Amino acid sequence: DAGITQSPRHKVTETGTPVTLRCHQTENHRYMYWYRQDPGHGLRLIHYSYGVKDTDKGEVSDGYSVSRSKTEDFLLTLESATSSQTSVYFCAISGSSGGLVTDTQYFGPGTRLTVL
Amino acid sequence: LAKTTQPISMDSYEGQEVNITCSHNNIATNDYITWYQQFPSQGPRFIIQGYKTKVTNEVASLFIPADRKSSTLSLPRVSLSDTAVYYCLVGDRDDYKLSFGAGTTVTVRA
Repeated sequence: DAGITQSPRHKVTETGTPVTLRCHQTENHRYMYWYRQDPGHGLRLIHYSYGVKDTDKGEVSDGYSVSRSKTEDFLLTLESATSSQTSVYFCAISGSSGGLVTDTQYFGPGTRLTVL
Repeated sequence: LAKTTQPISMDSYEGQEVNITCSHNNIATNDYITWYQQFPSQGPRFIIQGYKTKVTNEVASLFIPADRKSSTLSLPRVSLSDTAVYYCLVGDRDDYKLSFGAGTTVTVRA
């Protein structure tokens, strides 16, 4: 399995509090992604990174920000958590090109976040 | 990314072959077809990828007709452990933003 870890694995927080999720990789892959998964919606891309300090929005980026100061770490921050952000969050990485054809995405174990 | 349509769910029994068809009518010339599998409480993982005709690996086979407007993932002799969600994705080299959709939930019963 690809060396991807996510922390924390589980978190319960209250509405209005800031939350930061961490994704750490040991593969030196260029591309990193954050997805959320909710029942009936499959996986939806929140933000992605195509290099250190290079990030862009996905399809459900409102209420989320990201940062990537090192190749190995990609942080997802909920500035003020809301109940609608209760979800399972997956981090993924892909290789040098990041393209669908040339590189598959490898997923982390996920973080289950509950916002009360 | 080309839009894909696949069944929401499928039921099967142990030892049977499961075939999941994905429709992608607007597939482009440079697009490849990729399938991912997701077990409960885990992230998705790559199963198989193809461009045309047939691709087979140790896990599954992928059948792609000449017009490439659909594809079929075939899981031979499934077991209970094949119960998972299967996602069909279509895209090319530049599509590094994957779109997973809801996938097909395959339930294998004893």
